[in-house]
Amino acid sequence: GAVVSQHPSWVICKSGTSVKIECRSLDFQATTMFWYRQFPKQSLMLMATSNEGSKATYEQGVEKDKFLINHASLTLSTLTVTSAHPEDSSFYICSARPLADTQYFGPGTRLTVL
Amino acid sequence: GQSLEQPSEVTAVEGAIVQINCTYQTSGFYGLSWYQQHDGGAPTFLSYNALDGLEETGRFSSFLSRSDSYGYLLLQELQMKDSASYFCAAYSGTYKYIFGTGTRLKVLA
Repeated sequence: GAVVSQHPSWVICKSGTSVKIECRSLDFQATTMFWYRQFPKQSLMLMATSNEGSKATYEQGVEKDKFLINHASLTLSTLTVTSAHPEDSSFYICSARPLADTQYFGPGTRLTVL
Repeated sequence: GQSLEQPSEVTAVEGAIVQINCTYQTSGFYGLSWYQQHDGGAPTFLSYNALDGLEETGRFSSFLSRSDSYGYLLLQELQMKDSASYFCAAYSGTYKYIFGTGTRLKVLA
């Protein structure tokens, strides 16, 4: 149980294009999903908290117009990196929370912007 | 600010016991989780402590002391496959998780 999928697992795009990453909870409903970013050899940095049916809550320093988050259903949240640039290249990981004090991570999406 | 501090690297031999410490400073606190992450992979959940004391799950145990704002992960009977990065994460008063700086564990044969 508690399986979270992410798609795509990796993506390479040209600078200036937009990339959409999907996060799905496969066997449970998640009213809350989280989006993290991780640079090589660093810790996970929370980008935003995504709540089903409402606007996402972004962490300080994260541009909400650049990282668009949509949580359309209890099992799906999407992160769109708009006008991606090389500095956006990173490992993006989502997690879903079935209970108040646990979260389960998706396998991550490695984004490379050329 | 909010922070969780861990040692950056720990090295031990197969079969040994290793302890990874985590000290935290957060606005509100509900519990402490531990995650394992292998290179190139996503974090996998290991344990969660909401109350003070020791939680044991197989070879892994986790401890929490709320009064000391401190916890640790104990790994016993180390195996080569345990070589990975380990993160503590606090479930804070704002209902989100704040991750520690991470500890890279190297297990030597």
